[in-house]
Amino acid sequence: QVQLQESGPGLVKPSETLSLTCAVSGGSVTRDGYYWTWIRQPPGRGLEWIGDISFSGRTNYNPSLKSRVTILVDTSKNQFSLKLNSVSAADTATYYCARDSTSSRGYYFDYWGQGALVTVSS
Amino acid sequence: DIQMTQSPSSLSASVGDRVTITCRASQTIISYLNWYQQKPGKAPRFLIYGASSVQSGVPSRFSGSGSGTDFTLTISNLQPEDFATYYCQQSYNAPFTFGQGTRLDIK
Repeated sequence: QVQLQESGPGLVKPSETLSLTCAVSGGSVTRDGYYWTWIRQPPGRGLEWIGDISFSGRTNYNPSLKSRVTILVDTSKNQFSLKLNSVSAADTATYYCARDSTSSRGYYFDYWGQGALVTVSS
Repeated sequence: DIQMTQSPSSLSASVGDRVTITCRASQTIISYLNWYQQKPGKAPRFLIYGASSVQSGVPSRFSGSGSGTDFTLTISNLQPEDFATYYCQQSYNAPFTFGQGTRLDIK
């Protein structure tokens, strides 16, 4: 059973960088056929895909955030990370990491972390 | 970006009812459509992929259908644990986008 766990500061000041890590257990980030994804959800609102990364480091980003986002993978620690710079109050959200699986019928997010609430405030 | 629109935004139903939630894409996504269930304070739970394939472990009362731009999620014989918010999501093109959600409440 794959498990994902987000960690990182719950409070970030405006204009600074949000940094989160997702530790993966019960499976390897190096296994082919999977991407590793970040998704966020502002309080009381819907879900927004931020981007994903393969074990080889290939990334895809949401164009709406691309200029501020970096996703990295650390295969030695079996984890991946998110950095979002120049944050504002609009970036306040619960951030989820998830596994992005692929099949002949498309991609889907089948395993999720519990989520990490990050508040942007001075 | 492909826009996903769900209807209704909310609905009320009773235990034992059959409900249908609709999801419409702004362009064809063939059958690259997934459904998730989310309860308050919890991460989304993956239910259905490829418009109609039910994930292992998901009760058989959940079913999905559709292709092109119009899709439905049907829950038969509603159980108390089914009251939650449901999201559709397209995986045809990045950026992957979600519907705004449908909140299912107990009547």
